[in-house]
Amino acid sequence: KQEVTQIPAALSVPEGENLVLNCSFTDSAIYNLQWFRQDPGKGLTSLLLIQSSQREQTSGRLNASLDKSSGRSTLYIAASQPGDSATYLCAAYLSGNTGKLIFGQGTTLQVKP
Amino acid sequence: GAVVSQHPSRVICKSGTSVKIECRSLDFQATTMFWYRQFPKQSLMLMATSNEGSKATYEQGVEKDKFLINHASLTLSTLTVTSAHPEDSSFYICSASIWDDPTDTQYFGPGTRLTVL
Repeated sequence: KQEVTQIPAALSVPEGENLVLNCSFTDSAIYNLQWFRQDPGKGLTSLLLIQSSQREQTSGRLNASLDKSSGRSTLYIAASQPGDSATYLCAAYLSGNTGKLIFGQGTTLQVKP
Repeated sequence: GAVVSQHPSRVICKSGTSVKIECRSLDFQATTMFWYRQFPKQSLMLMATSNEGSKATYEQGVEKDKFLINHASLTLSTLTVTSAHPEDSSFYICSASIWDDPTDTQYFGPGTRLTVL
């Protein structure tokens, strides 16, 4: 059974810091891995999708990497801003084109001005 | 593109009533839609997978008679919470995948917050 774990559960940093959020999964046979942002009481905003054949994706100050062999993905946020404060969720697509997404518990980030 | 909407965004109802939540893909056809539930300060849990024109597939522990799912068209799936009770209060989010997208990427709706009094 695929399990997705995110560490740390919460993180507080001063503005301007570079930071890394971690995501691990137990079964390396994942299809894709996706990072989302969720603001309090709101839905999900997709940040980056890494397909199975890819190792990383970049969008602006965000960079996500995927290492299937070690069962890990990281989300790197450069020059953090108070507006980055939110909960970040990673989700693994199960292989076999079932379409099922298994979510981690999330990392709640607070960036202090 | 790939926008998914949900209606209503927020609903408050009395215990024992039924509530219907709609999930629509606005600019694409979605043969598969997914329903998730999120309790406060917890992550999303998949409830069921719905395919257009067929019965939904429910995850273990999800009561299919409690959570009725209908996927009548390629752009609409509905979730009906029957005889709702306070423990059904949660944030319900749907997602949809584009029928011919080989990556199976899911696009998420904004969610519906259900409060049962």
